[in-house]
Amino acid sequence: EADIYQTPRYLVIGTGKKITLECSQTMGHDKMYWYQQDPGMELHLIHYSYGVNSTEKGDLSSESTVSRIRTEHFPLTLESARPSHTSQYLCASTGTETYEQYFGPGTRLTVT
Amino acid sequence: QKEVEQNSGPLSVPEGAIASLNCTYSDRGSQSFFWYRQYSGKSPELIMFIYSNGDKEDGRFTAQLNKASQYVSLLIRDSQPSDSATYLCAARGGDTGRRALTFGSGTRLQVQP
Repeated sequence: EADIYQTPRYLVIGTGKKITLECSQTMGHDKMYWYQQDPGMELHLIHYSYGVNSTEKGDLSSESTVSRIRTEHFPLTLESARPSHTSQYLCASTGTETYEQYFGPGTRLTVT
Repeated sequence: QKEVEQNSGPLSVPEGAIASLNCTYSDRGSQSFFWYRQYSGKSPELIMFIYSNGDKEDGRFTAQLNKASQYVSLLIRDSQPSDSATYLCAARGGDTGRRALTFGSGTRLQVQP
């Protein structure tokens, strides 16, 4: 059972607003990830972190930024939301000793 | 060539039949492999993982790995309509493991009642 949480679950926001998507896990996992997925499409890795104060960009270029100040927390921020950012954002984490990757429930973002 | 390849489907099987989902990977250094189930609009859920050549069984699910052929499969016995979902195959590369898993694009399974 994975203990990884994302808030909000759904967000509808206007163009130009700043938003932060929250992701937290209580498993003590050191590696955390953000994926973007459009309906019926494949997962795209946009950011990852393998520990506190380390972040890297993923395979898909994204205008979002992330931070990792605490092990359990990996928020994603969009400084100025655009309709092209409309998508589902999935957070995931993996432990050091195991390689199973667990996903949070996701945030469905709609930018109008 | 994608690093992890799956047939997009849909794969349609009757209720009670065996569904066979296949996946190939290109990185020979890949160490371990994962199968996820994703219902429409939901996040992926880990079903099984396999590290060694051969079969691994868990309930109605059997994962099969053949590293020489770079081939992974998932068998679902006694398929139920509730098994209808997209199944994602993922591989962990042979590096330090700092990177995320590499996912295939998924196979959509439809189990007909």
